[in-house]
Amino acid sequence: GAVVSQHPSRVICKSGTSVKIECRSLDFQATTMFWYRQFPKQSLMLMATSNEGSKATYEQGVEKDKFLINHASLTLSTLTVTSAHPEDSSFYICSATPSGTNTDTQYFGPGTRLTVL
Amino acid sequence: QKEVEQDPGPLSVPEGAIVSLNCTYSNSAFQYFMWYRQYSRKGPELLMYTYSSGNKEDGRFTAQVDKSSKYISLFIRDSQPSDSATYLCAMGFGYGGYNKLIFGAGTRLAVHP
Repeated sequence: GAVVSQHPSRVICKSGTSVKIECRSLDFQATTMFWYRQFPKQSLMLMATSNEGSKATYEQGVEKDKFLINHASLTLSTLTVTSAHPEDSSFYICSATPSGTNTDTQYFGPGTRLTVL
Repeated sequence: QKEVEQDPGPLSVPEGAIVSLNCTYSNSAFQYFMWYRQYSRKGPELLMYTYSSGNKEDGRFTAQVDKSSKYISLFIRDSQPSDSATYLCAMGFGYGGYNKLIFGAGTRLAVHP
């Protein structure tokens, strides 16, 4: 149980385009989802916390107008990288916490590798 | 100074060896501690989590927390080539109603036959 999927697993796009990444909890409902970014050989850095039905909470230094997060249902959160640039190339990972549990239990998706040319 | 320090390695050991992975932290507000395993180009997988000082064992894995020294460890006994991965320590505390995790840089482990 507690499976989280991400789509797509890999995306290559041109500079200036927007890219949407989906994060789904497959067998549980998730009130809270988290979005992380991981550069090569570096750790996961939390970008934002997403709560179903409300605005996301962004970490310091993360541009909310560039990284749009929508958590419209209890099983789906999306991250849209707007006007992507090569420096946005990274591994984006989401995690989800089952509703009704303490949010110290996070189940991670397999990640999405974004390459901006 | 980073909140969580972890030696990135790489650490190379022969099959069957005992592996010791460590993290130190500076924020005494951390309430719980986790170890994740991450295979190349995959999401992290939770291995162990603890809330208090002491040892917690699960199969070949033992997690150790020393809050007085702000030091946590993960021991892997009888290491196998399939244990080759990056191991991330993570720590959490209540934050604005949501428990965010702070990750270490990860230690790359290679277990060779």
